[in-house]
Amino acid sequence: AQKITQTQPGMFVQEKEAVTLDCTYDTSDPSYGLFWYKQPSSGEMIFLIYQGSYDQQNATEGRYSLNFQKARKSANLVISASQLGDSAMYFCAMRERNTGGFKTIFGAGTRLFVKA
Amino acid sequence: DAGVIQSPRHEVTEMGQEVTLRCKPISGHDYLFWYRQTMMRGLELLIYFNNNVPIDDSGMPEDRFSAKMPNASFSTLKIQPSEPRDSAVYFCASSFPRESYEQYFGPGTRLTVT
Repeated sequence: AQKITQTQPGMFVQEKEAVTLDCTYDTSDPSYGLFWYKQPSSGEMIFLIYQGSYDQQNATEGRYSLNFQKARKSANLVISASQLGDSAMYFCAMRERNTGGFKTIFGAGTRLFVKA
Repeated sequence: DAGVIQSPRHEVTEMGQEVTLRCKPISGHDYLFWYRQTMMRGLELLIYFNNNVPIDDSGMPEDRFSAKMPNASFSTLKIQPSEPRDSAVYFCASSFPRESYEQYFGPGTRLTVT
């Protein structure tokens, strides 16, 4: 069965520093997508970045980049130049083909605290 | 587009009552997902639909839970009878039908069962 693991329940980072949030996954499907979402204290789920299993280059979106190591089955999120507004819960997710469709599962999340 | 719309935003009910949560996906999205989020269990996928057809309901906790999608623009998640352990935030999300497309989440319904 597919699985997403986020081993860091909480992380602290100093404002303006970079931080890496870890994510490992397990799947036997050669075609899959990896996603990161942000959930601030207000509760909404915000899509941040996507990486396809066949993508040769790491995905980047502004201050967000995804360190994709396929052989290790890891998809770590890197946030550069952290801001106070980055304090939130971050979820890694994987989407792969399932009988009849595409199924997405989420990791347990990492709570990021940005210190001034 | 207004995004994924969920109603109600908050629901407080007594144990044993029926609860119906509603969702309107983004127009054109073929997939609709229902998730439940709690502190203990995180974000759990309950069920998802493809073109209004339920594809995988293995995450539905028990027979008290049921979900329907009568048309492309509306879905319901029903709990009957409700129990205090059902208290959670329930999210609806929709997406296009490929592994490369992200899901768009609604604002969630915070359910409290007393």
